[in-house]
Amino acid sequence: DTAVSQTPKYLVTQMGNDKSIKCEQNLGHDTMYWYKQDSKKFLKIMFSYNNKELIINETVPNRFSPKSPDKAHLNLHINSLELGDSAVYFCASSQGWDTQGEQYFGPGTRLTVT
Amino acid sequence: AQKVTQAQTEISVVEKEDVTLDCVYETRDTTYYLFWYKQPPSGELVFLIRRNSFDEQNEISGRYSWNFQKSTSSFNFTITASQVVDSAVYFCALSEADYGQNFVFGPGTRLSVLP
Repeated sequence: DTAVSQTPKYLVTQMGNDKSIKCEQNLGHDTMYWYKQDSKKFLKIMFSYNNKELIINETVPNRFSPKSPDKAHLNLHINSLELGDSAVYFCASSQGWDTQGEQYFGPGTRLTVT
Repeated sequence: AQKVTQAQTEISVVEKEDVTLDCVYETRDTTYYLFWYKQPPSGELVFLIRRNSFDEQNEISGRYSWNFQKSTSSFNFTITASQVVDSAVYFCALSEADYGQNFVFGPGTRLSVLP
């Protein structure tokens, strides 16, 4: 069984479109995250949710909106996509309410904006 | 401010050589956690170790070992008798306890192990 899954794995779209990436974890974890990894491999946390509540919201354009319908899901919706949004987006989860636990990462979604 | 530095951008070694990946961190907290993650060419991120700031004991897991030194704010990672399968990007990361829920990755070190 996949612990943290993301769909789609690849996403190619045009500038200005709106797209969503879905994430689900079956580990029973309380906290979920979204990370962005750019072309130089820099990884940066975007959001953290604990029990469906936003904990971390780093400096991310408000075109990015996370949605957590329940503890096991944290989806990422992106409006008005821009070229600079092209990156690999990773979902992760951890037990507990903070970022101090081991995080389990999904396989990543490679977003390409043309 | 919280920061993680991995000064080695890329390292190449020949199989069976030992290699050490450096990690230096900055934090205001007295309680914090340090991590290492591996990202092989397939792209997934794999957890390797977590260490809290109160535990300076070195850790060994098979061919992997970690040296945590608070005096130098370093958390270095050594692979003994490296193998081709160790080729990956390795990330060091820091989580602070006192200043909200913040998690910072270092820029990563790309390790290539040549046969």
